[in-house]
Amino acid sequence: DTGVSQDPRHKITKRGQNVTFRCDPISEHNRLYWYRQTLGQGPEFLTYFQNEAQLEKSRLLSDRFSAERPKGSFSTLEIQRTEQGDSAMYLCASSRGDRGLFGPGTRLTVL
Amino acid sequence: GENVEQHPSTLSVQEGDSAVIKCTYSDSASNYFPWYKQELGKGPQLIIDIRSNVGEKKDQRIAVTLNKTAKHFSLHITETQPEDSAVYFCAVPRGVSTGGGNKLTFGTGTQLKVEL
Repeated sequence: DTGVSQDPRHKITKRGQNVTFRCDPISEHNRLYWYRQTLGQGPEFLTYFQNEAQLEKSRLLSDRFSAERPKGSFSTLEIQRTEQGDSAMYLCASSRGDRGLFGPGTRLTVL
Repeated sequence: GENVEQHPSTLSVQEGDSAVIKCTYSDSASNYFPWYKQELGKGPQLIIDIRSNVGEKKDQRIAVTLNKTAKHFSLHITETQPEDSAVYFCAVPRGVSTGGGNKLTFGTGTQLKVEL
């Protein structure tokens, strides 16, 4: 296993469209996290799964955002009716204990 | 919520010099302190971490020191090289008292530039 992978790496969409991102964590990691990072800022926590259970959602995660981890393995993050303010890097991380390891991120640009 | 302050925001050093980045935090219950390095267009890479039961940890040219009383921890890079140029983030667990997971609050980042 080579680490956390994310797909796609880049996504350009028009305002109002829906987008879905995928994260494949390190196989033995039971915890999975989504973060959002805007230019010049540190990552901001969005949501967290332990196995298939979504245990916490940040206030940053509006009703247009939904995340799933159906079998406790890969996860998807969907954004409905995208807005220009959604443009950011979406990062996935996984861990078994404290050490969170990040994927390369998905860069979203909303036109 | 947890408040994390990171200084400086930019740091320029000559190759071979040392670099020090400092973070302060507010939640005295915090017990895990990682540092991440992020290169342009890539995800953050964990470079070193420390737990609250030790005051210092070293891994080759990088070290982290922790002062729990003062609620600050620092990243030290010695013998800097051009490939150390990147943005460095400190992080602190969010909501330690609620337990579980590694949800992190990140500092604002330090752009380190190592000049030849």
